[in-house]
Amino acid sequence: AQSVSQHNHHVILSEAASLELGCNYSYGGTVNLFWYVQYPGQHLQLLLKYFSGDPLVKGIKGFEAEFIKSKFSFNLRKPSVQWSDTAEYFCAVMPDQTGANNLFFGTGTRLTVIP
Amino acid sequence: DVKVTQSSRYLVKRTGEKVFLECVQDMDHENMFWYRQDPGLGLRLIYFSYDVKMKEKGDIPEGYSVSREKKERFSLILESASTNQTSMYLCASSLGLAGSDEQFFGPGTRLTVL
Repeated sequence: AQSVSQHNHHVILSEAASLELGCNYSYGGTVNLFWYVQYPGQHLQLLLKYFSGDPLVKGIKGFEAEFIKSKFSFNLRKPSVQWSDTAEYFCAVMPDQTGANNLFFGTGTRLTVIP
Repeated sequence: DVKVTQSSRYLVKRTGEKVFLECVQDMDHENMFWYRQDPGLGLRLIYFSYDVKMKEKGDIPEGYSVSREKKERFSLILESASTNQTSMYLCASSLGLAGSDEQFFGPGTRLTVL
């Protein structure tokens, strides 16, 4: 079955540590890829997206993600996290097909940053 | 800025009640979506609509229906609420059918069914 996997359910880091959150998907065709973030008590918002071109994508707040097609992966990175990055992070995949632009989400990774 | 609003942030209903969740977007978006968000399961698509009066089932449509009479409004209906429908419900909208269109989310409605 087609799926999106986020293997880390809860990550705890100290401030200034580097972050990498894994995301793998199983769709065979062309895909568009997204990372969304949900800060405590707030709505989901887009961090970054990839749909073509440079596989290294830069988003807001110093986040970036790299699309590795051969590994079906789209991992999220940040070189130095801050306490304000505490949130839940969702990877999402949109198969590039006509008819709809449905998103398929991973189960999310909760990030806790300790001051 | 795109704004997606949902009628309630918190809702408590009893088993068997009919429940309406309303969503409004103000950016003339074509597509609208309803998801439920549960711990450990992420977001799962219930229904979506790509045009007025059009609807398509998502991954978990059982027990739900939707209505889109106007472009800006998309309603989720629980015909007879059950306790396993206790969840956070998120509405989203997107501009059109291009694969690069991001979805914009509302703040969510936390529904508790007793």
